[in-house]
Amino acid sequence: SQKIEQNSEALNIQEGKTATLTCNYTNYSPAYLQWYRQDPGRGPVFLLLIRENEKEKRKERLKVTFDTTLKQSLFHITASQPADSATYLCAQYSGAGSYQLTFGKGTKLSVIP
Amino acid sequence: DSGVTQTPKHLITATGQRVTLRCSPRSGDLSVYWYQQSLDQGLQFLIQYYNGEERAKGNILERFSAQQFPDLHSELNLSSLELGDSALYFCASRGDWEREQFFGPGTRLTVL
Repeated sequence: SQKIEQNSEALNIQEGKTATLTCNYTNYSPAYLQWYRQDPGRGPVFLLLIRENEKEKRKERLKVTFDTTLKQSLFHITASQPADSATYLCAQYSGAGSYQLTFGKGTKLSVIP
Repeated sequence: DSGVTQTPKHLITATGQRVTLRCSPRSGDLSVYWYQQSLDQGLQFLIQYYNGEERAKGNILERFSAQQFPDLHSELNLSSLELGDSALYFCASRGDWEREQFFGPGTRLTVL
């Protein structure tokens, strides 16, 4: 079955630096990968979606890349701020037609002032 | 605010009991998804409904069931509760032409 893994449980970074989070998947290449942000005790919030034929997607300070050869997506936050501290989840579809999501366990990012 | 509402916000109950969690999707969304999030398992897909019909099932226990009503709100029923069922339960909805899902604020279930 398809697995999606986020290698780091936690990442600490200094304010102003670029945070880079990794998401790896096994078996087949998903058509889409999505990234969500989750704050403690709250529901995930959609951030970005990248298609398999897209190498890179940007939204303000966020950038996502998709490397089907490495079976990996990287999520970057540039000029990180303490307000960016949260858990970031990557997700892919599993189950044809239903668009149910399989999530990685997430990476907890802490941006230190 | 995602537009998805869930009630109650918190629920504390005892082992062996039965509870019902309620979700109202965003206006116009026909798809409702239920997820369970526990500390050790992460966010796990339970079940999906589309316009009143069950569309997909994930790792949902037989003690759990769900339904979607004609007004599109959905309920997740959890019975014979065990300590291990303590978790956050989220519902999410999605528009037919969208790929992303919109999550509600969740219901925190504590089984004592």
